[in-house]
Amino acid sequence: GENVEQHPSTLSVQEGDSAVIKCTYSDSASNYFPWYKQELGKRPQLIIDIRSNVGEKKDQRIAVTLNKTAKHFSLHITETQPEDSAVYFCAAAGTDSWGKLQFGAGTQVVVTP
Amino acid sequence: DTGVSQNPRHKITKRGQNVTFRCDPISEHNRLYWYRQTLGQGPEFLTYFQNEAQLEKSRLLSDRFSAERPKGSFSTLEIQRTEQGDSAMYLCASGTMANTGELFFGEGSRLTVL
Repeated sequence: GENVEQHPSTLSVQEGDSAVIKCTYSDSASNYFPWYKQELGKRPQLIIDIRSNVGEKKDQRIAVTLNKTAKHFSLHITETQPEDSAVYFCAAAGTDSWGKLQFGAGTQVVVTP
Repeated sequence: DTGVSQNPRHKITKRGQNVTFRCDPISEHNRLYWYRQTLGQGPEFLTYFQNEAQLEKSRLLSDRFSAERPKGSFSTLEIQRTEQGDSAMYLCASGTMANTGELFFGEGSRLTVL
């Protein structure tokens, strides 16, 4: 089955700096890669996703890149703000099992003013 | 609130007791998923339904766990003879391919087994 590894486990950044989180996956059949943000005690919420026919996707301060050959994808947050502090999870799934997500272990991001 | 709702939000029980969690998905979503999340980990897939049919169960789901989705609307997850290792957050999510496959999660039901 699919295995997703996520690094780093914790990330501290100064407000205004960029944050990068990296994930690798094992199953070459995976073609859907969402990123979820989970604040303490709250539900995971989708912040951006990418499919295998696209190499990069951007939404305001958030961008995701995908390298299918190397089986890795990354989340980039620019101009970080204190409200970006949360746990971020990457995930992977195949087309037929798009909701059966294999999550990474998460990255605790702390943005200090 | 038209999101995914789960109840109870918190459940404390003694080892050996049975517990049941309920999930009400977003009404137009035909797929419903159950995940389990322990502290410091990402959610782990347990099972999912398409309408009323349970299409897949994870190997994580022992015989003590059973899920139903009668009439393809709300779903229940029952854990029989709870063990301390069952302590976790149980998350429900719903989605539909018509919405690009995005999953919408509920706030979860936190189970503590004493």
